[in-house]
Amino acid sequence: NAGVTQTPKFRVLKTGQSMTLLCAQDMNHEYMYWYRQDPGMGLRLIHYSVGEGTTAKGEVPDGYNVSRLKKQNFLLGLESAAPSQTSVYFCASTPPDLTGELFFGEGSRLTVL
Amino acid sequence: RKEVEQDPGPFNVPEGATVAFNCTYSNSASQSFFWYRQDCRKEPKLLMSVYSSGNEDGRFTAQLNRASQYISLLIRDSKLSDSATYLCVPRNQGGKLIFGQGTELSVKP
Repeated sequence: NAGVTQTPKFRVLKTGQSMTLLCAQDMNHEYMYWYRQDPGMGLRLIHYSVGEGTTAKGEVPDGYNVSRLKKQNFLLGLESAAPSQTSVYFCASTPPDLTGELFFGEGSRLTVL
Repeated sequence: RKEVEQDPGPFNVPEGATVAFNCTYSNSASQSFFWYRQDCRKEPKLLMSVYSSGNEDGRFTAQLNRASQYISLLIRDSKLSDSATYLCVPRNQGGKLIFGQGTELSVKP
């Protein structure tokens, strides 16, 4: 079972470039999340979605946009990358059931020069 | 006040020791709670979930104190392989999942 798949796994960008991270899950989960993790820090929520066509801001949404056009996919976009966005990005999904655990992708390491 | 707070540590303990960390949360509507383990900034893996007062799984015990709004994780007979960062996340109806900063544990020989 694939679970949660993130692409790409590694990317180097120049300041000002744009890119999109794709998260795909095959578990039919309603809820999906994008987190970033910087050295010495926990996971910080960027944006999340509680269903197809819906998105909401998390703790650190500035500089990012997201879309959930299909239930299985959650896209994270950087319109104009900045060095401060150098980070490891994790996608996760879960069912709406309160007892449901989060399933994570393997992470995407992004470096902005 | 942060929504979820953890002592970042590091907690340095010898093998065989018992260690405990707490996670405090501010949203009183939180109904379920999860402890995740993370190794070297890889993806977090579920360690334990807590829905009522507590849960036990082998050497690991999680306790929930709703009155004081914290959950604790107790690790008995620590192993070298327990060295990791432990993250907590409360869950409520809204869908927004905020993690604590994580507590780093280092178990030494």
